[in-house]
Amino acid sequence: DVKVTQSSRYLVKRTGEKVFLECVQDMDHENMFWYRQDPGLGLRLIYFSYDVKMKEKGDIPEGYSVSREKKERFSLILESASTNQTSMYLCASRKTVPEQYFGPGTRLTVT
Amino acid sequence: KQEVTQIPAALSVPEGENLVLNCSFTDSAIYNLQWFRQDPGKGLTSLLLIQSSQREQTSGRLNASLDKSSGRSTLYIAASQPGDSATYLCAANQGGSEKLVFGKGTKLTVNP
Repeated sequence: DVKVTQSSRYLVKRTGEKVFLECVQDMDHENMFWYRQDPGLGLRLIYFSYDVKMKEKGDIPEGYSVSREKKERFSLILESASTNQTSMYLCASRKTVPEQYFGPGTRLTVT
Repeated sequence: KQEVTQIPAALSVPEGENLVLNCSFTDSAIYNLQWFRQDPGKGLTSLLLIQSSQREQTSGRLNASLDKSSGRSTLYIAASQPGDSATYLCAANQGGSEKLVFGKGTKLTVNP
């Protein structure tokens, strides 16, 4: 079975803090994705990566950066957390076949 | 720009009923369409993937169909159970793009 794990299920941070969300997949997938999910807005793509050290902006990249130094790990970085970044963050991965697999999500609260 | 719509936003049915969830998309040049299930506070679980060359996929009590010409996909759930209660999302991506465009989901409640 494909497994996508995320470093935390729940996280509380203060405004202005630098926040790291980590995602790891164990199936040698080339493509990895970070989404955020908000009520009424659905899932929105923040960034994705199609190979090590490769990244591409999604629909809402502002305020975020990413890092992919190893194939299995994709990190989302909030350089200076703000309250409007309070959200559910979901990581996903897929290989060349198009089916995406999601992690359990991280509920981030910025106070 | 691809847009994906799911109607209704919420649906409540009695246990045992067969039901259909709807998904429509604006750009018929899709590469594949995927149905997911999401339980409250959890991540998404992939249910079925239909590639553009396929018309339908089946898994157990679930059957998903794809009609590109009309811009529609349906998820049929047979003999619904309370454990089927969840939010169901569909997502489409287009050839040449890695991005999935998601609908906002249909929240299904199956009453015992």
